[in-house]
Amino acid sequence: AQKITQTQPGMFVQEKEAVTLDCTYDTSDPSYGLFWYKQPSSGEMIFLIYQGSYDQQNATEGRYSLNFQKARKSANLVISASQLGDSAMYFCAMREGFTGNQFYFGTGTSLTVIP
Amino acid sequence: EAEVAQSPRYKITEKSQAVAFWCDPISGHATLYWYRQILGQGPELLVQFQDESVVDDSQLPKDRFSAERLKGVDSTLKIQPAELGDSAMYLCASSLLAGVLARTDTQYFGPGTRLTVL
Repeated sequence: AQKITQTQPGMFVQEKEAVTLDCTYDTSDPSYGLFWYKQPSSGEMIFLIYQGSYDQQNATEGRYSLNFQKARKSANLVISASQLGDSAMYFCAMREGFTGNQFYFGTGTSLTVIP
Repeated sequence: EAEVAQSPRYKITEKSQAVAFWCDPISGHATLYWYRQILGQGPELLVQFQDESVVDDSQLPKDRFSAERLKGVDSTLKIQPAELGDSAMYLCASSLLAGVLARTDTQYFGPGTRLTVL
């Protein structure tokens, strides 16, 4: 089974609107971390936001927030007030446990912001 | 702001040639990762180092790929001989923690090396 599933290959959003990028995960470990990365066309993976499995509140970083629904095993990224520079690939990732060596990545969602 | 450095940024080579990529992690980061990312896919882990030791190289095609991190700082990934299917982005990442509370350990990526094999 896939550890990380991103079901939206491509998304479009109007500039200044909010957009939600979906991510579901699969783990039986009660201790895990969830990460979102942005990858512009230049190729560099840019860390956006982190959510721990024991965190009581949803993570927020500026215009990025994570809608963490533990029972549903989902960790959707919400980008508010989209900007043209937000156009990029977005990857959800997970690391399990106390010594989780593996960093599992999803297949990514391509976001295009329309002016 | 500390960054992961990689070179070269772009490499074009012919099949059967040898290529090498270099990575310098963020200072003080114990763990270093090499990933391969094929266009349209997520990164795939090739090898992971903790200090100078290999922690995981289960996905590294060892007949042609090799990686080292001799002094536990910078690292080199080599492909010999290169094949057409090796064309991809090669990403290096580093993280601070060495096994403790790994779930909180964020990986920081370099700009990548885009390899084209002709």
